[in-house]
Amino acid sequence: QSALTQPASVSGSPGQSITISCSGTSSDVGGYDYVSWYQHHPGKAPKLMIFDVSNRPSGVSNRFSGSKSGNTASLTISGLQAEDEADYCCSSYTSSSTFVFGTGTKVTVL
Amino acid sequence: QVQLQESGPGLVKPSQTLSLTCTVSGASISSGIYNWNWIRQHPGKGLEWIGYIHYTGSTYYNPSLKSRLTISVDTSKNQFSLKLNSVTAADTAVYYCAAQSLGEFCFDYWGQGTVVTVSS
Repeated sequence: QSALTQPASVSGSPGQSITISCSGTSSDVGGYDYVSWYQHHPGKAPKLMIFDVSNRPSGVSNRFSGSKSGNTASLTISGLQAEDEADYCCSSYTSSSTFVFGTGTKVTVL
Repeated sequence: QVQLQESGPGLVKPSQTLSLTCTVSGASISSGIYNWNWIRQHPGKGLEWIGYIHYTGSTYYNPSLKSRLTISVDTSKNQFSLKLNSVTAADTAVYYCAAQSLGEFCFDYWGQGTVVTVSS
């Protein structure tokens, strides 16, 4: 199972919106509405930000939103804040009943 | 709030067995409402799902690791464990444990991770 493809880095200024893509295949991203997104500050536990493509867990800011089109999912962060600077990773359930993760994206707030 | 904490040796010799334990607090493994997962991240790479166990003992493993992998649970200690045998340098990674709600396809809670280096 190949890793999902994400851009290595994305940057934006405070207040701006950024979008991170997550590209897979019809056997994972395109085949199921089970894409999730995680925020990871180095040295801390990863945090679930989006599940089932576009749902936010309780307590996650509504500045975070998710979507999917075909084999590509996206995470959008609006109103970018300094605290959003972190690594972000997507994940999808697969046709093999396993999970595959993305290559990871480093978000920098300029 | 569910909290998970990984523990185990940080250095393992090639061909030996990597053993890690995840201690769960804030939830009972025996509640049955979670699958308990192991996930790893190789240096400079993305995450790799290793496998999960339910408190009943039901497991599901990544096919790429299945021949070397055992995940077990100790409900009396509220812990679950990973054993990966015949390790090589390719098993050097940060290992995370994570909780996945039954019926969901995401990882609700994670540990902070523990670094394991395979080297002689």
